[in-house]
Amino acid sequence: SQKIEQNSEALNIQEGKTATLTCNYTNYSPAYLQWYRQDPGRGPVFLLLIRENEKEKRKERLKVTFDTTLKQSLFHITASQPADSATYLCALTHGSGNTGKLIFGQGTTLQVKP
Amino acid sequence: DTAVSQTPKYLVTQMGNDKSIKCEQNLGHDTMYWYKQDSKKFLKIMFSYNNKELIINETVPNRFSPKSPDKAHLNLHINSLELGDSAVYFCASSLVGGSYEQYFGPGTRLTVT
Repeated sequence: SQKIEQNSEALNIQEGKTATLTCNYTNYSPAYLQWYRQDPGRGPVFLLLIRENEKEKRKERLKVTFDTTLKQSLFHITASQPADSATYLCALTHGSGNTGKLIFGQGTTLQVKP
Repeated sequence: DTAVSQTPKYLVTQMGNDKSIKCEQNLGHDTMYWYKQDSKKFLKIMFSYNNKELIINETVPNRFSPKSPDKAHLNLHINSLELGDSAVYFCASSLVGGSYEQYFGPGTRLTVT
């Protein structure tokens, strides 16, 4: 069956450390993978998109990797801050063209402690 | 200016009632979506419209009927509400297809009693 799983429901780290979140998928062949941030009571906010032919993408303190052999994406936040505390969702693209849709993982809640 | 807006923010109603949620985007996108986020936080697509045409219709009960009067608006009407419909409903928009980032509205928390 098709699955997309994020490593754990919650991740607690100390301020200044690097947070690493994992997204694994089964029986999908996504051309794109995206990461979103969701704060309580708010809608998801887009962070990064990575294509299947890209190994790594960076944006400020954020870095995403995409390994289509391992069927895994890693999301890193370096020099983490308490303001980075939120739920992070990975989403892969299923289908193509205008019928393409995003399939979301269940999210990982990150808590950065000062 | 709010990119994707939804009304109402909260909706509390009784079983059997009919209710609507409205969504508007001012990003000029061609594609709009409805998602449902359940109590376990899973975000699942329900419908997708591209230029007012229904493109994606997941296995959603036919009590749910989306309507797109123009490409900037996508409304969701729900008939005969059931307890299991309680969830947060998000509207989103993007350029066409799944290869582009999506912009989400603030969500509508529906509680059916």
